Amino acid sequence: SQQGEEDPQALSIQEGENATMNCSYKTSINNLQWYRQNSGRGLVHLILIRSNEREKHSGRLRVTLDTSKKSSSLLITASRAADTASYFCATRTISGSARQLTFGSGTQLTVLP
Amino acid sequence: DTAVSQTPKYLVTQMGNDKSIKCEQNLGHDTMYWYKQDSKKFLKIMFSYNNKELIINETVPNRFSPKSPDKAHLNLHINSLELGDSAVYFCASSQGFAGGWIEQFFGPGTRLTVL
Repeated sequence: SQQGEEDPQALSIQEGENATMNCSYKTSINNLQWYRQNSGRGLVHLILIRSNEREKHSGRLRVTLDTSKKSSSLLITASRAADTASYFCATRTISGSARQLTFGSGTQLTVLP
Repeated sequence: DTAVSQTPKYLVTQMGNDKSIKCEQNLGHDTMYWYKQDSKKFLKIMFSYNNKELIINETVPNRFSPKSPDKAHLNLHINSLELGDSAVYFCASSQGFAGGWIEQFFGPGTRLTVL
């Protein structure tokens, strides 16, 4: 089963609005990363948040992490049409042999001009 | 300059054929990966090589054989292609194998269609 699951699966907003995407995971983690994938392209790393951090900012991005709820959220403020893409969370699990990034299936964000 | 490149970008082939996908990175990284993204966009790791040595080999049919001639290249050879192999295959690289501590850099993907 998937380690990270994004919610919602699809999100459509108007330019200028904020977009919030959520990620839930199952096992303990060392860190959580968010990636963006534009249509037909590879994934691009956006931000990494460590398990001992609660919030992190990068430009118009704000990521929160709640390890007690095993969830993270990605907020994009003042969205632009160019933000249209799929957004994935990825987790590095602590235990077992899963010493690699495990991705969810993504949230498809559409920003309408 | 492209950091992680893959060839070909598109690959259409018949069932039963053998095909290869090539990946090269010019970032000086020592760890490379292959991922498979299915039609629902779920991304799953297949293999990982660190300094040309296989370190991750997920439950992948042995029809898939990765080969790393040097640290900058990780190729994927697939024998006896099946319909279920249709997907987008992504190559990625990172500096050091930290099992997910660090960001990975992805190639543009190879869309494989098996007819």
